[in-house]
This record gives sequence, C-alpha cells and structure tokens, in this order.
Amino acid sequence: DSGVTQTPKHLITATGQRVTLRCSPRSGDLSVYWYQQSLDQGLQFLIQYYNGEERAKGNILERFSAQQFPDLHSELNLSSLELGDSALYFCASSVEGGRYEQYFGPGTRLTVT
Amino acid sequence: AQSVSQHNHHVILSEAASLELGCNYSYGGTVNLFWYVQYPGQHLQLLLKYFSGDPLVKGIKGFEAEFIKSKFSFNLRKPSVQWSDTAEYFCALYEWNSGNTPLVFGKGTRLSVIA
Repeated sequence: DSGVTQTPKHLITATGQRVTLRCSPRSGDLSVYWYQQSLDQGLQFLIQYYNGEERAKGNILERFSAQQFPDLHSELNLSSLELGDSALYFCASSVEGGRYEQYFGPGTRLTVT
Repeated sequence: AQSVSQHNHHVILSEAASLELGCNYSYGGTVNLFWYVQYPGQHLQLLLKYFSGDPLVKGIKGFEAEFIKSKFSFNLRKPSVQWSDTAEYFCALYEWNSGNTPLVFGKGTRLSVIA
C-alpha cells in the first residue's frame, strides 16, 4: 500500500459523457501527478500539481482538466469521452517536486462504451 | 529534452536465470534515477532509486542497479529471477536543471519468467 488512494476503482461510461476521478496523496506529499496508461500508448504523463498550483503539463487533451484542492486531494475531469479514452488512470504523489520518488495509487480503470 | 531509453521491449527468461534490463538516458548533468515495477493488474511500485553516492544501488526483492555516468546508464539486475518477477519494469529520471518538472519515464520492459 503506497498511501495514495484513488476512487473509483472502476468506471464504465458511455461516449460523450463526463467523469471525475479522485486522488488523495500520501500524508505530507504536496505534489500530485496524473498518468494515463493504455496498451498502445504506454504510460503517459498528463499533468502535475504542486500545493494547489499547476506545475507541469504533459500529453493532456483539452477535454481533460484537473485541479488540486486546499486539502491537497486532486480531481481529474474527463469530458466528451471517446472510446480511445478507455485506459488506466494513475495518480502519484511525491514530497515536493520532481526530484523525489513518486508513489503511485492503485489506479482507476475507465471503460468508455 | 531529456529522454529515457529502454531498448528491451520484452524479455523472456527461465526461472533462476540472471536478469539485466537496460536503461539509458540522454542528459549529461546531475540526475536522480529510479526503477519501478508494475506487476500484472497492479500499480507502479518503487524498486530502487539513485540520488548520489555509491553507484551500486540495492533495492527490494533482490534487485540492484548500477549507475554508470560515463555510459549514461542505469541498468537493473537480479542474479536469479523467479516466476513472481514477471512484470513490467520502468526506468525513470529526474534532471536537476529541469526545476520541479516530473520524472521522465521510459517506455517499459516487459519481463516474462517461465518455469
């Protein structure tokens, strides 16, 4: 158990819908990262937040957005869902910025039908 | 931008064979290096990390990695693999001059251990 929690574990939804994935970082960690993992694309970095502010952006689509709240939990919002958005979405956290190891949550498996 | 290369996409070994997975990176400055493992159906877990000091780093489950600065490499090794080591292995890097940007991950190497 890494100490990072993610909900829900599984999500099945239809194309065109919007979903919200939730992540709580390890106690004391200020940075939260979101990743998408699929068979064809591998592990893709989406976005990083540090103490409530966006710190870095990766391959995140405009239909996707995220935020980190004052209690440091984070949410990833995925809208206008397409079949290709079906993937595992991982959240990770670290103490500060990028130079420290990241601890990954168990992931949310999103299936878009 | 820095990059991490894991040239072996899929490695198949018999139990008790020795393992070496390659990891090379493109940045010549100070780096932190990591190996993560992802067992089937699970999340990524930290195997070991190198920040500074002894270039031979020992991790969990009998894994070790050696940082060779001159070769820009951080290969993962295990003297004798078990069936339970079947997983995907990711090398990751943090470049010290990048500010607080996130880790850069390699594409991963899938290890299959057969009886």
